[in-house]
Amino acid sequence: AQSVTQPDIHITVSEGASLELRCNYSYGATPYLFWYVQSPGQGLQLLLKYFSGDTLVQGIKGFEAEFKRSQSSFNLRKPSVHWSDAAEYFCAVAPRGSQGNLIFGKGTKLSVKP
Amino acid sequence: ETGVTQSPTHLIKTRGQQVTLRCSSQSGHNTVSWYQQALGQGPQFIFQYYREEENGRGNFPPRFSGLQFPNYSSELNVNALELDDSALYLCASSLVPGGVETQYFGPGTRLLVL
Repeated sequence: AQSVTQPDIHITVSEGASLELRCNYSYGATPYLFWYVQSPGQGLQLLLKYFSGDTLVQGIKGFEAEFKRSQSSFNLRKPSVHWSDAAEYFCAVAPRGSQGNLIFGKGTKLSVKP
Repeated sequence: ETGVTQSPTHLIKTRGQQVTLRCSSQSGHNTVSWYQQALGQGPQFIFQYYREEENGRGNFPPRFSGLQFPNYSSELNVNALELDDSALYLCASSLVPGGVETQYFGPGTRLLVL
């Protein structure tokens, strides 16, 4: 079955520390890959996306993600976390050839310690 | 450029009632997708509308229905509400259908069914 797994439900990091959020997907062919962020009471904001080409993708707010085909992973990273990064992060995929129905993981909640 | 807007922001209904949620797409976007986000879960795709026609549907029963209007705004209707329908309902718009297209999300409508 097609699925997206975010193994960490909740992560706490200190402000200024580095961050890596994990995402694994299970699909027959490499789908389009996305990371979204959701702040309390807000909708989803796109951080970055991967369609093809360079496997290291740069996004907004200093985030980047690396696509690893061999591991079916698309992990999100940030070298130095700011208090304003506290939010819920969702990995999502869209099957190639689909009409664009996004399939989301269950999310990782990020807390930032001062 | 106006972003995606949704109304109302919050709604309380009782089991068995019917509800209509509204979404205005981002300027120039003719595709609208609806998602249901239960508490502690990632969003789940309900359906998509393109040029006033349903263009794909997730695993939701027929009591979830929708409309898209000539100005590309959209409605989500849910009949015979059940307690499990309590969720945040998100609308997203994109230029056209397709997995490669970026979807821009509204802030959502939070529905509580008692």
